[in-house]
Amino acid sequence: GAVVSQHPSWVICKSGTSVKIECRSLDFQATTMFWYRQFPKQSLMLMATSNEGSKATYEQGVEKDKFLINHASLTLSTLTVTSAHPEDSSFYICSARDGDIQYFGAGTRLSVL
Amino acid sequence: SQQGEEDPQALSIQEGENATMNCSYKTSINNLQWYRQNSGRGLVHLILIRSNEREKHSGRLRVTLDTSKKSSSLLITASRAADTASYFCATDYLWGNNRLAFGKGNQVVVIP
Repeated sequence: GAVVSQHPSWVICKSGTSVKIECRSLDFQATTMFWYRQFPKQSLMLMATSNEGSKATYEQGVEKDKFLINHASLTLSTLTVTSAHPEDSSFYICSARDGDIQYFGAGTRLSVL
Repeated sequence: SQQGEEDPQALSIQEGENATMNCSYKTSINNLQWYRQNSGRGLVHLILIRSNEREKHSGRLRVTLDTSKKSSSLLITASRAADTASYFCATDYLWGNNRLAFGKGNQVVVIP
């Protein structure tokens, strides 16, 4: 199957700083990528749909100014958590669709101190 | 919206036994997909079943879909310790713009 690479896998940062997470489709082009958030022992919550060359579409309740998404090319989407606070600590996962199937990155564990 | 729901949510079985998980959803779908997630990792796609299909097999996996009941089941036969993971169903729902709605997930523990 297709491969989606996500980086970094783990990041610790101080409260107030910004953190950027990258999501790359390695062997296919993705006009659309998705960003999810997952709390321990819970399901995935879709945060936003990243659209190449245009603005991201955010799900209800997700702050677009807090979670900045940039989809600058057909293989790269980035999620920037701005002015991170401890409540932003979570597991963030991206995915990209190839045909009918969404392929997922390995996830990024963010810990904000 | 998160519309899928799995039942049961936690399952502990002996190696070699079969594991069955169920999923229900609320709206019409294009297809339903099952994913596996090992602890702290990303999701691995297992199998996709389209809305016009009733059953599908892939190796030791068997998926059924009942669109009249808006439900699906995943059967893992002859389970192995390596099958220990969380399993999620996800629906590609109509008018969802390619988004997936995930269920709550099933934690499966296979005891060697």
